[in-house]
Amino acid sequence: DAGVIQSPRHEVTEMGQEVTLRCKPISGHDYLFWYRQTMMRGLELLIYFNNNVPIDDSGMPEDRFSAKMPNASFSTLKIQPSEPRDSAVYFCASRGYHEQFFGPGTRLTVL
Amino acid sequence: AQKITQTQPGMFVQEKEAVTLDCTYDTSDQSYGLFWYKQPSSGEMIFLIYQGSYDEQNATEGRYSLNFQKARKSANLVISASQLGDSAMYFCAMREGYYDYKLSFGAGTTVTVRA
Repeated sequence: DAGVIQSPRHEVTEMGQEVTLRCKPISGHDYLFWYRQTMMRGLELLIYFNNNVPIDDSGMPEDRFSAKMPNASFSTLKIQPSEPRDSAVYFCASRGYHEQFFGPGTRLTVL
Repeated sequence: AQKITQTQPGMFVQEKEAVTLDCTYDTSDQSYGLFWYKQPSSGEMIFLIYQGSYDEQNATEGRYSLNFQKARKSANLVISASQLGDSAMYFCAMREGYYDYKLSFGAGTTVTVRA
């Protein structure tokens, strides 16, 4: 299996621009998670889906952030408008039996 | 309150020696799961080991073992026979409740293996 796939791997954008991060989970996994990692806050869960339905979005920082999962093999995390404080590594993960398998992450820099 | 506490920000270990990484957790749920992940400098998150709250035996995976002390709410990771490739950040994480699958992570411990 290819593992969890994320794109882009790196994104540099300017404040105010829209940013879309993409994720393809491992085939057959019915849970998908979006995490953000920063030096200040560590690893924090933003939102997770079960069978394409959002279950818990309490970690989404504010209305500028939105996430969708239109089908079992694709999810997006969108930031509009982006701000410099959104600079972080964004991970997508999908759940196996117990463990979560993480994608390689998207390093986002907002100038 | 912090759900996962890792008190050691950084550790040095000699190659071929064992190292123990501390993790304490806080939950009122009876059903929970504890995880350890490794994050090398390349940035990916690699799953290492899992321990369920009802598991009576300590989990082991190759050179990794989890020292689970339920009464003390402790889930320390032991890496035996350290290798240079073990140099990385290590995160302890917890899932609470039977049907809630989100993970709470600790701040991490950086391990540096010396030749």
